[in-house]
Amino acid sequence: EAQVTQNPRYLITVTGKKLTVTCSQNMNHEYMSWYRQDPGLGLRQIYYSMNVEVTDKGDVPEGYKVSRKEKRNFPLILESPSPNQTSLYFCASSSGQVGGYTFGSGTRLTVV
Amino acid sequence: AQSVTQLGSHVSVSEGALVLLRCNYSSSVPPYLFWYVQYPNQGLQLLLKYTTGATLVKGINGFEAEFKKSETSFHLTKPSAHMSDAAEYFCAVSEWFSGGYNKLIFGAGTRLAVHP
Repeated sequence: EAQVTQNPRYLITVTGKKLTVTCSQNMNHEYMSWYRQDPGLGLRQIYYSMNVEVTDKGDVPEGYKVSRKEKRNFPLILESPSPNQTSLYFCASSSGQVGGYTFGSGTRLTVV
Repeated sequence: AQSVTQLGSHVSVSEGALVLLRCNYSSSVPPYLFWYVQYPNQGLQLLLKYTTGATLVKGINGFEAEFKKSETSFHLTKPSAHMSDAAEYFCAVSEWFSGGYNKLIFGAGTRLAVHP
């Protein structure tokens, strides 16, 4: 089954403790993105990747890092999480065809 | 830069009533437009999309949307609401970059409630 898999689904952590949210896709897509969803703001892009070793900032990149060492994986790294990063995070991948975005099930992160 | 405005953060309808969720976009080029649905505790699922051609687009679960260039709108409708339609709905527009990459720009979302 074609899918984007994120882990974990839920995470509660403390301020400053580094964490990684993993994302993997099995569709051989070139393009991958991370979004955060906040009430009243919709989804905002954090980072995106056009291919292996090619990444760039989205609209809200502060406090996040990403890497793309393999085509299938696109982890999101929070080096020093803060409470304002409490949010629902989605990973998505695309072949580049219009509308071909597949979303993961989301990771709900709480930073206390 | 493209942008999307969804009018009404919450919409409530009776079961069997018409569903109308409003979306207006801003784009300097012919837009590609999308509606996604998010059921509780799930990811986003594509409902329908407009790229080119016929301006009335039919999607899954009985939903459809009409692209109106003169009104810069892409409203989502369903003739008869079901309880299972209760979800959050997002309108999005594609922004294109060199290299073929396209980015989805989302509206703030509309939460649809369906009551008996």
